[in-house]
Amino acid sequence: DGGITQSPKYLFRKEGQNVTLSCEQNLNHDAMYWYRQDPGQGLRLIYYSQIVNDFQKGDIAEGYSVSREKKESFPLTVTSAQKNPTAFYLCASCAGSGETGELFFGEGSRLTVL
Amino acid sequence: AQKVTQAQTEISVVEKEDVTLDCVYETRDTTYYLFWYKQPPSGELVFLIRRNSFDEQNEISGRYSWNFQKSTSSFNFTITASQVVDSAVYFCALSENAGNMLTFGGGTRLMVKP
Repeated sequence: DGGITQSPKYLFRKEGQNVTLSCEQNLNHDAMYWYRQDPGQGLRLIYYSQIVNDFQKGDIAEGYSVSREKKESFPLTVTSAQKNPTAFYLCASCAGSGETGELFFGEGSRLTVL
Repeated sequence: AQKVTQAQTEISVVEKEDVTLDCVYETRDTTYYLFWYKQPPSGELVFLIRRNSFDEQNEISGRYSWNFQKSTSSFNFTITASQVVDSAVYFCALSENAGNMLTFGGGTRLMVKP
């Protein structure tokens, strides 16, 4: 079945460590997104990519990095520079950047910093 | 700047009651898109509806209905005869441009008790 796969589902990290969250899609979508969700809050955009080898910062990009070497993959690295990384991270994709269309989401990765 | 407000952080109803989730938005654009997403306990967001700013017709899909009123900048969501399976967090979102960047409200947690 087509969809978005995020891994790992749960991740624990010690302070000072970088960690990479995986996001893979087999929907042949051009655009991919990373959102952060904190308890009781809406989703905030971290990074997005509308085409391979290109990506832009969202509203809260500090302390995060991404790459888009393949259409299907958009990994997110949470670096040690991110001061409050404990959160729920959601990856999404969309067919195109023309008419605004629906986003398809993965099941998320919950990161806890110990 | 765009903004989405969901004033109800949590709503609790008994099964078979009707419930309305409020969404108020702010935007300077005349062309924009409004969305509702459902986030069940599994974590992924599920697309429910998209409405563009030129279409103020209300929509009904089974037990779900949406009331879009530009005069009050609102896009409210009603569930008729609620069921336990409707328990989830519901997000309203707004997109002003063709890049599919969504601004989310803070979400409303709906609990439907048997």
